[in-house]
Amino acid sequence: QKEVEQNSGPLSVPEGAIASLNCTYSDRVSQSFFWYRQYSGKSPELIMSIYSNGDKEDGRFTAQLNKASQYVSLLIRDSQPSDSATYLCAVYSSASKIIFGSGTRLSIRP
Amino acid sequence: ETGVTQSPTHLIKTRGQQVTLRCSSQSGHNTVSWYQQALGQGPQFIFQYYREEENGRGNFPPRFSGLQFPNYSSELNVNALELDDSALYLCASSRDGAMNTEAFFGQGTRLTVV
Repeated sequence: QKEVEQNSGPLSVPEGAIASLNCTYSDRVSQSFFWYRQYSGKSPELIMSIYSNGDKEDGRFTAQLNKASQYVSLLIRDSQPSDSATYLCAVYSSASKIIFGSGTRLSIRP
Repeated sequence: ETGVTQSPTHLIKTRGQQVTLRCSSQSGHNTVSWYQQALGQGPQFIFQYYREEENGRGNFPPRFSGLQFPNYSSELNVNALELDDSALYLCASSRDGAMNTEAFFGQGTRLTVV
């Protein structure tokens, strides 16, 4: 089992709709969770961090965390073409390192 | 802009050669982590340096080594390059190596081994 799992996609969402990205992790003691956005050929950019169960909102982005289910998600409201990118879920593991999933490719169609 | 800078941005090396990649951390950050990202994959953790000491290592062979300097900048050295070492190498800067810290990436170094 991979430490951090994501559906590779591509996930295609119409412009203006809600994009929902999901991630599961295996290390039960993980406490910190991050979402990064990566455009093709560029480095990952941190867009959200979440540490407690529940929802955390920042503009059009909402991160959701459920530690009991070992599940973290990212919702993007009012999706824009500029949101088309690969979204990486990352988890701070008990081994003092941030582990990344393989990413979900998101495509926003006009 | 994250304030994390890497050099060089692109590099072409021959199999068997050695390479050194450099990273300057963001102001106020004392932790640097290095990642290797192959095409279509997520970043893979190589190692982390915290206050000039190695503070965790991923599943990479010893020919991958590193260093952190008193100003918290860092180097990644790879010896005996192999074709599979071709990848985007990323460094991430963070504060204190703590659990609730956020890590910010430099622009990466694209290494091609031929």
